[in-house]
Amino acid sequence: ETGVTQTPRHLVMGMTNKKSLKCEQHLGHNAMYWYKQSAKKPLELMFVYNFKEQTENNSVPSRFSPECPNSSHLFLHLHTLQPEDSALYLCASSQEWGTEEAFFGQGTRLTVV
Amino acid sequence: KQEVTQIPAALSVPEGENLVLNCSFTDSAIYNLQWFRQDPGKGLTSLLLIQSSQREQTSGRLNASLDKSSGRSTLYIAASQPGDSATYLCAVGRGSTLGRLYFGRGTQLTVWP
Repeated sequence: ETGVTQTPRHLVMGMTNKKSLKCEQHLGHNAMYWYKQSAKKPLELMFVYNFKEQTENNSVPSRFSPECPNSSHLFLHLHTLQPEDSALYLCASSQEWGTEEAFFGQGTRLTVV
Repeated sequence: KQEVTQIPAALSVPEGENLVLNCSFTDSAIYNLQWFRQDPGKGLTSLLLIQSSQREQTSGRLNASLDKSSGRSTLYIAASQPGDSATYLCAVGRGSTLGRLYFGRGTQLTVWP
């Protein structure tokens, strides 16, 4: 247990569905991240939030919509996804500055059918 | 753009062997470097974090070195055990925000009894 909790752990959704992924951390961190891990590709950073403000969007399609209501919670809203969006979605948190490492959640395994 | 390469892609050894996993990166202007472990279908567990000003870090049977000028890091695992079987990921810090990372594809390690 790393202190970063993601729900659900597994999700199967149709291309017309709307669903949300949730991430929660109680480590006192002020930065949170969404990463995507597809088969045979390196982990890719999707979004970065610092103090609830989005500071990075790495050209992610608009069918992925992040939300950060406070420093402890991060959501990823999904709508009209494609089968190629099937992947493991990982949330991470860290201090914005300092010398400690980033902590990752267990991930949500998403399958789009 | 930073490119992170890990060699070998896969490694299968009998227990008790000392192992060396390699990581290289194209841009030496890094903030830090982290080694992670990922078990199948799971999230990432941080193993070692090396700041850009450091040359190495040690934790138990693990030792990681960093040579910024040559763009290389090495993870050394002493006296390998079957429980060490996992994918090992190298990640380079993109900036001072600690969770902004470029990842390699990983080395899949199998240690057999």
